[in-house]
Amino acid sequence: AQSVAQPEDQVNVAEGNPLTVKCTYSVSGNPYLFWYVQYPNRGLQFLLKYITGDNLVKGSYGFEAEFNKSQTSFHLKKPSALVSDSALYFCAVRAIRYGGSQGNLIFGKGTKLSVKP
Amino acid sequence: EAQVTQNPRYLITVTGKKLTVTCSQNMNHEYMSWYRQDPGLGLRQIYYSMNVEVTDKGDVPEGYKVSRKEKRNFPLILESPSPNQTSLYFCASSDTAVTGELFFGEGSRLTVL
Repeated sequence: AQSVAQPEDQVNVAEGNPLTVKCTYSVSGNPYLFWYVQYPNRGLQFLLKYITGDNLVKGSYGFEAEFNKSQTSFHLKKPSALVSDSALYFCAVRAIRYGGSQGNLIFGKGTKLSVKP
Repeated sequence: EAQVTQNPRYLITVTGKKLTVTCSQNMNHEYMSWYRQDPGLGLRQIYYSMNVEVTDKGDVPEGYKVSRKEKRNFPLILESPSPNQTSLYFCASSDTAVTGELFFGEGSRLTVL
């Protein structure tokens, strides 16, 4: 069965410091990986995705994520955090099985990012 | 403006009173999906639709129905709501089911008393 884990319920960083939000996954086959952000009282917004190719993926608002196949991770990063980055972040994975069949898109439980001035 | 529109945004109802949450997208997307968001559980998929007249169960379909008669609309129906269906519901759409990013509605907060 496929799964995705976000090991930290909350991450606290100071404005201007680098931030990392962790995501690990478990799938049979190749993973398609996504990050979404949810601001208070809003729907989720797409940040970035890894489908194939370069392991370092750049997305919206200065965020990037690195696909690490050996560690089955897809951590979200930003070099310099802003107070406005404070939100709930979700990692999601879809398995593409050998033979081409696809699994459902599975979301992690979310990590609350708090950036203090 | 590209968007997914859900209605109602907030609803308080009583056990057993049928309700429908509407969802409409204006991006001509083929794929649409419903999720519920509960604290500590993240997002769980209820139903999805690959195209008109094609729907399938997600991870938590019990107590819900959907239909896809038109490409733009994907209503979620609770025939007999129960308190355990109190949740925040999101509709989402995508141009492709597999690699496309999802566009989400603003959410519908449902309380069943």
